[in-house]
Amino acid sequence: EPEVTQTPSHQVTQMGQEVILRCVPISNHLYFYWYRQILGQKVEFLVSFYNNEISEKSEIFDDQFSVERPDGSNFTLKIRSTKLEDSAMYFCAGSTDMNTEAFFGQGTRLTVV
Amino acid sequence: ELKVEQNPLFLSMQEGKNYTIYCNYSTTSDRLYWYRQDPGKSLESLFVLLSNGAVKQEGRLMASLDTKARLSTLHITAAVHDLSATYFCAVTQSNFGNEKLTFGTGTRLTIIP
Repeated sequence: EPEVTQTPSHQVTQMGQEVILRCVPISNHLYFYWYRQILGQKVEFLVSFYNNEISEKSEIFDDQFSVERPDGSNFTLKIRSTKLEDSAMYFCAGSTDMNTEAFFGQGTRLTVV
Repeated sequence: ELKVEQNPLFLSMQEGKNYTIYCNYSTTSDRLYWYRQDPGKSLESLFVLLSNGAVKQEGRLMASLDTKARLSTLHITAAVHDLSATYFCAVTQSNFGNEKLTFGTGTRLTIIP
């Protein structure tokens, strides 16, 4: 069964460093999302992406964050200069169209030290 | 702004007992999901509820939706230890050409033998 795959599963980075989190959606997915979950808290929406454009972003998704789908397969989330408070689990999700259920990847645990 | 609240936040119950988790949301939404999350893991989709009065059951879990009251319930029947996890409800709004999920605070369920 096709899966949404995220790499790496765990990344440790120093404060101020750039990180890129990668997601390989299921091949027929067109809508893509990133969510964040700080340890012990709820899942929060970061950004949605369709047709190579951001369709919506939350207030969390500030200028330090960017997304792209450079090669038509990988969907990436970049954090330019990480802060301690960026430590969280980051989930990628994808769906075939706007009104269907999105499938989640297994997540990337980002630890900023 | 859509707000989603769950209660209780923590629930400790004995095996064999029944209990209900409640999910309230503040504005009209398109659909409601229930997810299960084990520690350090991704979100496992349990149910999607589309319309008023919808009821779905899988094993010892049953979910229902009352769109007029903006309330969904997740009922656990004769709990077993394997059901210990955190349960999230999430609602969608199809704005901005996407279907982002707004999650509830989560209910951490612990089943005691």
